Amino acid sequence: AQKITQTQPGMFVQEKEAVTLDCTYDTSDQSYGLFWYKQPSSGEMIFLIYQGSYDEQNATEGRYSLNFQKARKSANLVISASQLGDSAMYFCAMREGRSNDYKLSFGAGTTVTVRA
Amino acid sequence: DAGVIQSPRHEVTEMGQEVTLRCKPISGHNSLFWYRQTMMRGLELLIYFNNNVPIDDSGMPEDRFSAKMPNASFSTLKIQPSEPRDSAVYFCASSLEGGLAKNIQYFGAGTRLSVL
Repeated sequence: AQKITQTQPGMFVQEKEAVTLDCTYDTSDQSYGLFWYKQPSSGEMIFLIYQGSYDEQNATEGRYSLNFQKARKSANLVISASQLGDSAMYFCAMREGRSNDYKLSFGAGTTVTVRA
Repeated sequence: DAGVIQSPRHEVTEMGQEVTLRCKPISGHNSLFWYRQTMMRGLELLIYFNNNVPIDDSGMPEDRFSAKMPNASFSTLKIQPSEPRDSAVYFCASSLEGGLAKNIQYFGAGTRLSVL
């Protein structure tokens, strides 16, 4: 079964507007971490934001925030005030809590195109 | 601080040749991961090391692939012999595992491998 599901293959957003990227996950662990990465056209993978399963507050990093809804097993990324440089592919990933398992499971990604 | 450094950035080779990809993790990190990214399969974990010891190589596609980490600052991924279906972007990532670390994996810029 897919551990991370990103249902939006591609999205368009107008510059300066906000965009929400969906991510749902599947785990039976109580302790886990959720990550978002950005991959611009140049190809590198850039870490954006992290949310721990026990974190009570939603994570925020500058214009990025994570809408974490534990009961729904969703961890949506919100990018506020979109900029042209935000055009990229965005990946949601999860690390489950087993102490000796450091693997990340990645979703298929969502391509965001910011229009001027 | 320097991030994860991968070399070469691009590699073009002919089928049957040996290919060696190199990675220098972030200094002080104790875990290293090799991923492969293709359009068809997305991001796949091939193998990861903790304290230079291979922990999980279940993602290594076949015996033609091998990885080593002779010390904390260097790892190689070798494909011998290479085949056209090995064409992909190969990423190396490193993280600090244990304690209070959030275990964020930081990625290198990737090696784009083309096997003709």
